[in-house]
Amino acid sequence: EIVLTQSPATLSLSPGERATLSCRASQSVSSYLAWYQQKPGQAPRLLIYGASNRATDIPARFSGSGSGTDFTLTISSLEPEDFAVYYCQQRSNWPLTFGGGTKVEIK
Amino acid sequence: EVQLLESGGGLVQPGGSLRLSCAASGFTFSSYAMSWVRQAPGKGLEWVSGISNSGGSTYYAGSVKGRFTISRDNSKNTLDLQMNSLRAEDTAVYYCAKDRICSSTSCNFDYWGQGTLVTVSS
Repeated sequence: EIVLTQSPATLSLSPGERATLSCRASQSVSSYLAWYQQKPGQAPRLLIYGASNRATDIPARFSGSGSGTDFTLTISSLEPEDFAVYYCQQRSNWPLTFGGGTKVEIK
Repeated sequence: EVQLLESGGGLVQPGGSLRLSCAASGFTFSSYAMSWVRQAPGKGLEWVSGISNSGGSTYYAGSVKGRFTISRDNSKNTLDLQMNSLRAEDTAVYYCAKDRICSSTSCNFDYWGQGTLVTVSS
């Protein structure tokens, strides 16, 4: 099973700041990595697939990069609605796995 | 508009069974793989099971293999999860999720239901 390790666990930032979230895989997942956003009491929302492709209706301030084992989700300038938990997910090997999440909180 | 509506959650004793259902609308259900993803209270996401668009291929996480069975009815646009031999660690919100593009396997999930809570406790 591929283990995805996300860091940091919590990121404390102010609106307007840049957020950089990391996801590291225990073995190569090529570019088969996605990112999701989840707000309290809501279902997850797909942000990025294929490591760097924005999903439908996702604002341009969200970007993804990386391949192999190291991936980054960047939010260029945090909006109030971006404070949430973010998860990475790989589809390279069975079973599909998610990272443990990074909480982006208001500083 | 894509809609996924789960039902069937509730309180069940350890060792018991429960059947979850997901009613899908707003897209060509028979064209996409579907999955169940769960989230224990205060915890992260865990993929549980997936099924190909035809229903001919099914996939399970190791933690549920042999106890859970996924199925679909493309004539009724429904996805089911039969859960047997339930354990306390199966307690979670269970989400039905549509695959973004894959049909024969599970990839990424572009639409999710609101979830149904399963509580396993005596």
